[in-house]
Amino acid sequence: DAGVTQSPTHLIKTRGQQVTLRCSPKSGHDTVSWYQQALGQGPQFIFQYYEEEERQRGNFPDRFSGHQFPNYSSELNVNALLLGDSALYLCASSLAISTGELFFGEGSRLTVL
Amino acid sequence: QQQVKQSPQSLIVQKGGIPIINCAYENTAFDYFPWYQQFPGKGPALLIAIRPDVSEKKEGRFTISFNKSAKQFSLHIMDSQPGDSATYFCAARYSGYALNFGKGTSLLVTP
Repeated sequence: DAGVTQSPTHLIKTRGQQVTLRCSPKSGHDTVSWYQQALGQGPQFIFQYYEEEERQRGNFPDRFSGHQFPNYSSELNVNALLLGDSALYLCASSLAISTGELFFGEGSRLTVL
Repeated sequence: QQQVKQSPQSLIVQKGGIPIINCAYENTAFDYFPWYQQFPGKGPALLIAIRPDVSEKKEGRFTISFNKSAKQFSLHIMDSQPGDSATYFCAARYSGYALNFGKGTSLLVTP
């Protein structure tokens, strides 16, 4: 049973560019959440998708956007990259009706130069 | 504003010791309190979780103690092993909303 898979694992961008990160949830899961983890910090919630709609959003600017596809996979897009966007981006999946256990992928390490 | 405050930032114990990591929260609406373990280069993995109607929960060598009146909860690792060396995060959430994580505790268990 495949867990949460994310791609790419590492990428380097320059300021002002745009990036797209991808996530496939754990089999049977229908809800995808994205978190940003800066070095030495805990994960910070970006947003959550369920039934192809953004259900919740954390305190992140509109430069951060996402999408969920009919097969429950998801993308995170970040526009106009800033140096401060350098972080590990984690995707987590869950069942919307579950007690709330999140299963995390290994993340996409983004470096902005 | 940090909704979950975690301490200590780092911890070193000898093999067999019992490291204790503490967390405090303010929002009394929180109804789910998990602990996650993260190894370098990996995503966080759920260790154990508790709800506020229970004061203690054990799973293997990991125990959560929960004090609802003090709005605090802690993780104890019994008979710690070098393989337990990792970063541990407490978290809290309410009613299906997003998890709020602490800043993490870096644990080193020496042989």
